[in-house]
Amino acid sequence: AQKITQTQPGMFVQEKEAVTLDCTYDTSDQSYGLFWYKQPSSGEMIFLIYQGSYDEQNATEGRYSLNFQKARKSANLVISASQLGDSAMYFCAMREVYYSGGYQKVTFGTGTKLQVIP
Amino acid sequence: SAVISQKPSRDICQRGTSLTIQCQVDSQVTMMFWYRQQPGQSLTLIATANQGSEATYESGFVIDKFPISRPNLTFSTLTVSNMSPEDSSIYLCSAQDRQNIQYFGAGTRLSVL
Repeated sequence: AQKITQTQPGMFVQEKEAVTLDCTYDTSDQSYGLFWYKQPSSGEMIFLIYQGSYDEQNATEGRYSLNFQKARKSANLVISASQLGDSAMYFCAMREVYYSGGYQKVTFGTGTKLQVIP
Repeated sequence: SAVISQKPSRDICQRGTSLTIQCQVDSQVTMMFWYRQQPGQSLTLIATANQGSEATYESGFVIDKFPISRPNLTFSTLTVSNMSPEDSSIYLCSAQDRQNIQYFGAGTRLSVL
């Protein structure tokens, strides 16, 4: 099974509107972390927001918020008041800790291409 | 947070040659990672590079092809050896800060002719 599933290959949103990018994950661990990254056409990966599995409050960072529903294993990204500069690929990712190996691994979803329309 | 400088930003290489990518972090970090992103694809972890130990490679990646060095807590290199056109990708370095957030360099766009 896929660790991270992003079912929307592409999304359009009108400028100044809000948009939700979907992400579901699969893990049997109790302790894990969820991330969202933005990748503009320039190629750099920009960290947006983080949610720990034990965090009771949904994470927020400016116009970004993470709608964390633990029982449903979903971690959707909400972007409010979209701007033209938000047009980019968005990746959901999950960090798991492998205690037996003593190392951590972050697995990325396939991404959602968001296009903001003027 | 961590600020990561990666170079070169892009290169065009001939088949059979090797390229070393450098990654410099502005603070001391325990864990650094190297990823590959093939055109139109997501990120795939190549290896985890911890200072003072051998890099841990993911399935499908081997040390002979992708040797990694981690001489100190702020620096790492990835070498892509004996390159073929299939190695054309973006290679990304990342570092994990004390809050367990991974920050990325700007990436190296590699084209192999």
